[in-house]
Amino acid sequence: DGGITQSPKYLFRKEGQNVTLSCEQNLNHDAMYWYRQDPGQGLRLIYYSQIVNDFQKGDIAEGYSVSREKKESFPLTVTSAQKNPTAFYLCASSIERTGVNEQFFGPGTRLTVL
Amino acid sequence: AQTVTQSQPEMSVQEAETVTLSCTYDTSENNYYLFWYKQPPSRQMILVIRQEAYKQQNATENRFSVNFQKAAKSFSLKISDSQLGDTAMYFCAFSRADNNNDMRFGAGTRLTVKP
Repeated sequence: DGGITQSPKYLFRKEGQNVTLSCEQNLNHDAMYWYRQDPGQGLRLIYYSQIVNDFQKGDIAEGYSVSREKKESFPLTVTSAQKNPTAFYLCASSIERTGVNEQFFGPGTRLTVL
Repeated sequence: AQTVTQSQPEMSVQEAETVTLSCTYDTSENNYYLFWYKQPPSRQMILVIRQEAYKQQNATENRFSVNFQKAAKSFSLKISDSQLGDTAMYFCAFSRADNNNDMRFGAGTRLTVKP
């Protein structure tokens, strides 16, 4: 089955620790995205990547880092510099083609800082 | 910058009835895309329907249809014959046609379908 997988589903972190969220897709999509979702708010873009070895900051990139070494994978690291990391994180992907803008989403990771 | 506003934080509807969710947006762009995504309790985001701004005809997908008013910058979602499985958060989203990496989401409307 083609789709986007995120792991783990739930993640707990102690303050001061870095933690990495996994996102993998087998849709052969060029672009991948990371969003943060907080209660009462829509999704906010953290980082996105249009091609391998290239990525761009979104609206709330501070305290986060990403890498795109493979087309299929786009891991997100939440660093200790992120002051309020407890949130639901969604990964998405899309085809890089004019006229096709739909983003497909993974099931999400719930991160809780203890 | 584009903004998307959903003015109804919560709504409810009786099973089999019709409900309309509101969405307005602000942009200076002429060519763009609009989306409605559904997020059920599983939290998996699912595309419900999308509309290209250059198309005058309103998009329809089975029980879901939109009322796209470009001049008013309004994009409402109508759900007909509501089913219990329609209970979810619904997000309206905007994407520029020349930059699909910059999708903007509204804050969402929590819809409850009552039996």
